[in-house]
Amino acid sequence: QPQLVQSGTEVKNPGASVKVSCKTSGYTFINFGINWVRQAPGQGLEWMGWISAYNGDTKYTQNLQDRFTMTTDASTSTAYMELRSLRSDDTAVYYCATSFKDRSDRCYYWGQGTLVTVSS
Amino acid sequence: QSALTQPPSASGSPGQSVTISCTGSSSDVGGYNYVSWFQQYPGKAPKLIIYDVTKRPSGVPDRFSGSKSGNTASLTVSGLQSEDEADYYCSSYAGSNNLVFGGGTRLTVL
Repeated sequence: QPQLVQSGTEVKNPGASVKVSCKTSGYTFINFGINWVRQAPGQGLEWMGWISAYNGDTKYTQNLQDRFTMTTDASTSTAYMELRSLRSDDTAVYYCATSFKDRSDRCYYWGQGTLVTVSS
Repeated sequence: QSALTQPPSASGSPGQSVTISCTGSSSDVGGYNYVSWFQQYPGKAPKLIIYDVTKRPSGVPDRFSGSKSGNTASLTVSGLQSEDEADYYCSSYAGSNNLVFGGGTRLTVL
C-alpha cells in the first residue's frame, strides 16, 4: 500500500523560505508524479503544481511560479517543495499527492499534510 | 485557471440521496473525462472517492457515484449515512498538466 509521509510543522517569519518533504514508499517512485496542494485555514483545496518523478517535468500554477519550486530525489523516493518570500496568506496545510508520471490528474494517495504558519 | 464552482453546502436525511454539482468550462470539466471527487473530514487529508468521472477506487462504497454532462460534473451519494457528513471537493484536469479544484461542499446529514 503506497504511503506518503511528510515533514513536520513549520513556523516561519514573513520573507523566509520553507522546504517540505514528502517521503514515499510502497510503490515505484519514478513511475508516478507528485502534486502539491495547499489548504488555508477554513478554506478549500488549492492546486500548486505537479512534478513527474519519471523525467522531472514540472507544471506550476501561475500565481506561485515565481517563488515555488518542486524537486524529487529518486534515490530516497522523496519529493520536495520549497516556497520562498513567505507571506501571511501562505499559512496553510500543504499536502503532497500521487499522480500519473505523465499527467497531473488523479490524486490517488495523499500525505498527512504539513502545517506551515507564517507569522512575525 | 479559475476554480470550479460547487455549492457551499448540501444536506439530506439518512437514507436519502443527495447530489453535489461541480461546474467548470470546456477547458476543464467539459474538455476531459478526468474529473475526480474527494472526501475530507476535519483535520484529515482528502481521500479520493471518484476518478475519471465515474470510477470508484477499491474500498469506496457503491453509494458514491459520479457523472458528467457538458461542463458540469456531479457526485451523488445514495442511502445517506451519518459517516458521509464531510467536505467534498471536485477536481478536473485542465490540459497541459494543469489541475483545478472546486471550492468544496459541506455535506450535512440531518
